[in-house]
Amino acid sequence: ETGVTQTPRHLVMGMTNKKSLKCEQHLGHNAMYWYKQSAKKPLELMFVYNFKEQTENNSVPSRFSPECPNSSHLFLHLHTLQPEDSALYLCASGGEGVRYTFGSGTRLTVV
Amino acid sequence: EDQVTQSPEALRLQEGESSSLNCSYTVSGLRGLFWYRQDPGKGPEFLFTLYSAGEEKEKERLKATLTKKESFLHITAPKPEDSATYLCAVTLKGGSYIPTFGRGTSLIVHP
Repeated sequence: ETGVTQTPRHLVMGMTNKKSLKCEQHLGHNAMYWYKQSAKKPLELMFVYNFKEQTENNSVPSRFSPECPNSSHLFLHLHTLQPEDSALYLCASGGEGVRYTFGSGTRLTVV
Repeated sequence: EDQVTQSPEALRLQEGESSSLNCSYTVSGLRGLFWYRQDPGKGPEFLFTLYSAGEEKEKERLKATLTKKESFLHITAPKPEDSATYLCAVTLKGGSYIPTFGRGTSLIVHP
């Protein structure tokens, strides 16, 4: 266990479904991140939260909706996804001068 | 154009056959360069941070080095358990502390 926990580990959803990914960290980090990882591509930064405030949205489609209720928890709400959204979604925590720690990811398949 | 380029894309080694992975970056004003290891279906795991040219870090069979334009991850006498994808990332001075990742090198070590 890395200190960053993601659930679920695997998720299969239809294009009309609504689901949520959850991330939890107890490392005392101030910043949390969502990344998308697709085959043969670099990690794509999606969202950044600092002290619960969203500080970066990397032109992510509105069908992805993040939520950060406190500095330890981060959610990614999903709705009306497309098959090309199938990927490994990674959560990380860290901050300026603090090493990134990643969760194990959620493998998402959109059918 | 990628700011961080990793080569080779894939590498197959026999157990005990030493080799090196390369990470080159086109950005100027490097703040830090990071190496991560990622096992299939898991999140990246931190290995090393390098800050200045000439710096070296070691951990078991791995040794990371840094020049002004690139970093090498040397693997000495690898074992099958070293099989993984190795990711490189950089942060810039005066810029965001959020790292930019390369596409990774997939390493397979055959027994």
